Amino acid sequence: QVRLLQSGAEVKKPGSSVKVSCKASGATFGTFAFNWVRQAPGQGLEWLGGFIPGFGPVNYAQSFQDRLTIDADESSHTAFLELRSLTFDDTAMYYCARDPTGQDPFDIWGQGTFLTVSS
Amino acid sequence: EIVLTQSPATLSLSPGERATLSCRVSQTISRYLAWYQQKPGQAPRLLISNASNRASGIPARFSGSGSGTDFTLTISSLEPEDFAVYYCQQRADWPITFGQGTRLDIK
Repeated sequence: QVRLLQSGAEVKKPGSSVKVSCKASGATFGTFAFNWVRQAPGQGLEWLGGFIPGFGPVNYAQSFQDRLTIDADESSHTAFLELRSLTFDDTAMYYCARDPTGQDPFDIWGQGTFLTVSS
Repeated sequence: EIVLTQSPATLSLSPGERATLSCRVSQTISRYLAWYQQKPGQAPRLLISNASNRASGIPARFSGSGSGTDFTLTISSLEPEDFAVYYCQQRADWPITFGQGTRLDIK
């Protein structure tokens, strides 16, 4: 059974950076895509980016391309999201989600990591 | 980018009633549309892929239809646990985009 376990909640100051992790278990790493989706309080879902570790480039949402890095450490079966130059608008729940082929919907989701940006 | 517009924004129904949710897409996407359910405090859950394929473990009262630009999620007879927010998502092109959601409330 595939599971995605995310790191804990974060509190950051404006202008700083955050790195969120998503550890996969129960599936062979590199055979599925990781995606990151965020949800501001009371708002809808916003896709940030995704990739298959070890296969091709990361696809980023254009509005985040200059301050977002998504990568992975295959040895620990963990994907990462790093978001820089944080603003108050980045306060949100951040989810990692699995796409089993790189072209499919997201069938497994992490539990979410809440980021608070506060001065 | 492909824009998904869901309607209505809020739908108020009673248990046992039929729910019909719409997702209109700004350009044709064949059948590359998925539906998700999200309950408060939980991550989204995949209900439907490729417009009409129920995901594993999803009850038969959930069905999806449509192709091209117009898609529908139908819940044939609402159970108490079905009251939640529903999102559509397209996988036809990058960037991946979601609709703004339909909130299904108990009347």
